[in-house]
Amino acid sequence: SQKIEQNSEALNIQEGKTATLTCNYTNYSPAYLQWYRQDPGRGPVFLLLIRENEKEKRKERLKVTFDTTLKQSLFHITASQPADSATYLCALDYGGSQGNLIFGKGTKLSVKP
Amino acid sequence: GAVVSQHPSWVICKSGTSVKIECRSLDFQATTMFWYRQFPKQSLMLMATSNEGSKATYEQGVEKDKFLINHASLTLSTLTVTSAHPEDSSFYICSAENRVQETQYFGPGTRLLVL
Repeated sequence: SQKIEQNSEALNIQEGKTATLTCNYTNYSPAYLQWYRQDPGRGPVFLLLIRENEKEKRKERLKVTFDTTLKQSLFHITASQPADSATYLCALDYGGSQGNLIFGKGTKLSVKP
Repeated sequence: GAVVSQHPSWVICKSGTSVKIECRSLDFQATTMFWYRQFPKQSLMLMATSNEGSKATYEQGVEKDKFLINHASLTLSTLTVTSAHPEDSSFYICSAENRVQETQYFGPGTRLLVL
């Protein structure tokens, strides 16, 4: 069965630095890979979607890469701020019904001032 | 971004009672909505896919008679946890599919505690 792993349960960085979160998966590559932000006691908020034929996508201070050879996606937050502190989830989407999202457990990012 | 609401945001009930959770997409029509469950420090697990005007599709291991889903309109899906037990205590999250934007928008979640 498909497995998805996010590199660490928690990541602590200093304000202003770049946070890099990793998402690895096994078996076959998804059609899309999505990243979400989840705050405590709240539902996930969609951030970025990257397709299997795209290498990189950017949105403001966020950057996502997708390497189907390595079966890995990297999620970067540049010039991190304390307000970026949250849990970040990656999700594999194999197309068809959007419900076929497989979520990782998430990485809890803490940005210290 | 699109807004999806859930009601109630939290509920505490006695074992054996039924609880209904509503999920509404406020600014777009959603033919398909999804129900997830999330335990502490765990990933979201899809429970079922709710299609407007038809029966829901349940994931393996999810009892359809226990988790009743109704999707009567393009903006509303409901999940009813029947005869809830303490092991049903969890964080229930719905999402609505926006096919134009190729993504799902999630509700804020409903925390259920069954005593």
